[in-house]
Amino acid sequence: DVKVTQSSRYLVKRTGEKVFLECVQDMDHENMFWYRQDPGLGLRLIYFSYDVKMKEKGDIPEGYSVSREKKERFSLILESASTNQTSMYLCASSKTGDYGYTFGSGTRLTVV
Amino acid sequence: DQQVKQNSPSLSVQEGRISILNCDYTNSMFDYFLWYKKYPAEGPTFLISISSIKDKNEDGRFTVFLNKSAKHLSLHIVPSQPGDSAVYFCAARKWDYKLSFGAGTTVTVRA
Repeated sequence: DVKVTQSSRYLVKRTGEKVFLECVQDMDHENMFWYRQDPGLGLRLIYFSYDVKMKEKGDIPEGYSVSREKKERFSLILESASTNQTSMYLCASSKTGDYGYTFGSGTRLTVV
Repeated sequence: DQQVKQNSPSLSVQEGRISILNCDYTNSMFDYFLWYKKYPAEGPTFLISISSIKDKNEDGRFTVFLNKSAKHLSLHIVPSQPGDSAVYFCAARKWDYKLSFGAGTTVTVRA
């Protein structure tokens, strides 16, 4: 069963910590995305990548960075976690030419 | 600035009746529209989609209608079932493969 796997379902971190959220897909997809989901705001795009070592800013990149060293892995980094980054983080991937995404199950991050 | 809007945060419907979810968009460059369904603690899953060259697409109990002149689409679920209780996201795509999502509508199907 093809899928997108996010390494943690729940995380609790302290303000100021550096946080790594990992995402791995086994579908050989070129494109990978990081979204955050907040009530009343839906899914907002943080960063995306069309290829290895490539990255593009989404709509809300401030406070985040990403790394894509291998095609199947896309990491989201919170350089210095803040309480306003408490959210559900969703990773997704897609194949170029396809219209939809395949999503992971999400990581619920709480910053205290 | 949100380019895809779902103005109804919630919808309650009786089992067996029709659920109608609405979505409006502002960007005329969108060429493909999708609906995703999300259960708590799970990622969104693809439900149904429609190309901008069509005005209707049907898949079993789910039908999506697109009105390009009004920049409006809707999702009809007939008949509604308890397993349909979830959050539904409308999404739209441009040429760059990025999806823009609405805020979501929480559907509750009452027995």
